[in-house]
Amino acid sequence: AQSVTQLGSHVSVSEGALVLLRCNYSSSVPPYLFWYVQYPNQGLQLLLKYTTGATLVKGINGFEAEFKKSETSFHLTKPSAHMSDAAEYFCAVSDRGNAGNMLTFGGGTRLMVKP
Amino acid sequence: DTGVSQDPRHKITKRGQNVTFRCDPISEHNRLYWYRQTLGQGPEFLTYFQNEAQLEKSRLLSDRFSAERPKGSFSTLEIQRTEQGDSAMYLCASMLAGVTYEQYFGPGTRLTVT
Repeated sequence: AQSVTQLGSHVSVSEGALVLLRCNYSSSVPPYLFWYVQYPNQGLQLLLKYTTGATLVKGINGFEAEFKKSETSFHLTKPSAHMSDAAEYFCAVSDRGNAGNMLTFGGGTRLMVKP
Repeated sequence: DTGVSQDPRHKITKRGQNVTFRCDPISEHNRLYWYRQTLGQGPEFLTYFQNEAQLEKSRLLSDRFSAERPKGSFSTLEIQRTEQGDSAMYLCASMLAGVTYEQYFGPGTRLTVT
């Protein structure tokens, strides 16, 4: 079964610093890859996705992620953190061969931004 | 607002009672998913519908859980004889299958079983 690992359940950065949230998947066939953000007591908002094509994908709010097949990774970055980025971030995958496109999520990383 | 909506947003119930949640997807979306998220964890897949047909159910979906999507529009998720372990956030998502792989999530229903 597919699994998703997010290293670091909590990440703390200073405002203006680089944000790096890590995500690794387990399957030998690269899945579809997604990053979602969740603010307290809210649903999930899609930040960005990779399905095919260019391996560096840009999303909303200045975030981007790079798909690296050799490392089975899809790490999320943002050059300069803003206070409003404080939230829970989830990496998710969907198997290409599964017609249902169900998402398997990692455990999440809580991003804290210090002033 | 044309996003995914869920009702109620919060539900507190006593153990053993039945509860029902509703999800209204984005209107043109043919696929609807239910996920469950417990505190401090990522969401876990429960079930999904393609139009009105329920095509897959997770092993997490015990026989106390039932979901419907009549006429391929809104969906309901019912939990019978609730247990404390059912306390979680129940998330609904919709997608336009065949066109995109993006799932759009609703705000969730937080269930507390006392």
